[in-house]
Amino acid sequence: NAGVMQNPRHLVRRRGQEARLRCSPMKGHSHVYWYRQLPEEGLKFMVYLQKENIIDESGMPKERFSAEFPKEGPSILRIQQVVRGDSAAYFCASSPDRLEQYFGPGTRLTVT
Amino acid sequence: QQQVKQSPQSLIVQKGGIPIINCAYENTAFDYFPWYQQFPGKGPALLIAIRPDVSEKKEGRFTISFNKSAKQFSLHIMDSQPGDSATYFCAASITSGSRLTFGEGTQLTVNP
Repeated sequence: NAGVMQNPRHLVRRRGQEARLRCSPMKGHSHVYWYRQLPEEGLKFMVYLQKENIIDESGMPKERFSAEFPKEGPSILRIQQVVRGDSAAYFCASSPDRLEQYFGPGTRLTVT
Repeated sequence: QQQVKQSPQSLIVQKGGIPIINCAYENTAFDYFPWYQQFPGKGPALLIAIRPDVSEKKEGRFTISFNKSAKQFSLHIMDSQPGDSATYFCAASITSGSRLTFGEGTQLTVNP
């Protein structure tokens, strides 16, 4: 059983561009979570999704950020008009039961 | 009330020592407490987790001690090895909601 897959692993964007981060959960997992880790800090919850539904987006900035988990395909975290403060590691986790969460390797976003 | 406070921020032990990392929480609705291990450039890996109906759980060299009345829990690593050098995060969640709230992390160094 392959683990949680995220791509790209590294992403460089100029200020004002869009960033798209993809996450494929583990097989059989229908719950997907996105977390952000700033340098030298802990992980902060952003959003929790199930297939085609956003369950909890209370940790996501109201503007420029959006997430989806379509019926087919990976979950996508989209950041529009990126700014330098968006530079961070973005981790996706999946769960079979809303309890144990298994993390992917992360996408390291650098905004220049 | 959603915070989880973790200490110490960093910890250095000799090989074979027993590092102890502590976490305290405020929200009594939390009912699931996992620990994660993170190596540089990697995603967090689930180590061990506990529910509040038990006071201790052991898996291999890792033990969680849980004190419900004090709202504290701790991770003990028996017979620590240099390969255990990593950052450790405690976390807490309410299973009905399932978002993880993380502590700030402890950077553990085990010297040979």
